[in-house]
Amino acid sequence: DTGVSQDPRHKITKRGQNVTFRCDPISEHNRLYWYRQTLGQGPEFLTYFQNEAQLEKSRLLSDRFSAERPKGSFSTLEIQRTEQGDSAMYLCASSLDPSISSTDTQYFGPGTRLTVL
Amino acid sequence: AQSVTQLGSHVSVSEGALVLLRCNYSSSVPPYLFWYVQYPNQGLQLLLKYTTGATLVKGINGFEAEFKKSETSFHLTKPSAHMSDAAEYFCAVRPSNFGNEKLTFGTGTRLTIIP
Repeated sequence: DTGVSQDPRHKITKRGQNVTFRCDPISEHNRLYWYRQTLGQGPEFLTYFQNEAQLEKSRLLSDRFSAERPKGSFSTLEIQRTEQGDSAMYLCASSLDPSISSTDTQYFGPGTRLTVL
Repeated sequence: AQSVTQLGSHVSVSEGALVLLRCNYSSSVPPYLFWYVQYPNQGLQLLLKYTTGATLVKGINGFEAEFKKSETSFHLTKPSAHMSDAAEYFCAVRPSNFGNEKLTFGTGTRLTIIP
C-alpha cells in the first residue's frame, strides 16, 4: 500500500505526559500537512512542511507542540505536558509540490486518535 | 481569508433518493474547492475537487458538485443514495494562489441513509 500511514492509530495517555505521533507520507510527495479534528468538527490546519522545512504554523500550535520532518520523508508531531483539551484526532496529509505539479491534492492518512485522561 | 459553511449538520435520505449536501464558501481570491468523505474512525477520502475549467465536476461513487461563483456555492449531489453512502462529508476550500495551500474545512454533514 502506498498511501499515507500514521502510527499509532490510538493513544491513551494521562494528563501531563508527553506523546509522539508519526506520519509516513506517500513516497514521492514533498509536502506534508498536520491537521487536528475534534469531535463534531472539521479538521483544522496545524502546520506543514516542504521537504524538511516547516513553512507555516497555525496559532493553534502552542509551545507544547512541535513537529519535525528531519530527512524530508516521515514526520513526527510531539505534544508535551498533554492536557485534556488535546484530545482529538490528529490527521496527516501529503501532496506533491503545487509549484511544480498541477496535481497537488492532499491525501490523508487514517489519523491518530489521542485521548488524554 | 477563507471559510466554509455547511448547512445541515445531519441529513437523512431514503435509499434511492436524491442526496444534496450544501456548501457555501468565502474566499478573498479565486478558490479551489473540495469534498471529502470520512467513514467512522478513518481518515478523509477525496470525493471530488474543482480547480479551474468545467464548473460541474464528477467524482467517485457517483457524486458530483457544481461550482457556482455567483452563489459562492459548491453543493454535492448524487442522484440515488446507497446504504454505503452513510458517512460524514466535509467541504473544504483553499486559495488558488501558490504558497497558501492549507485547507479550510466546514464542520461536516453526517449523512444517514434510511432503508
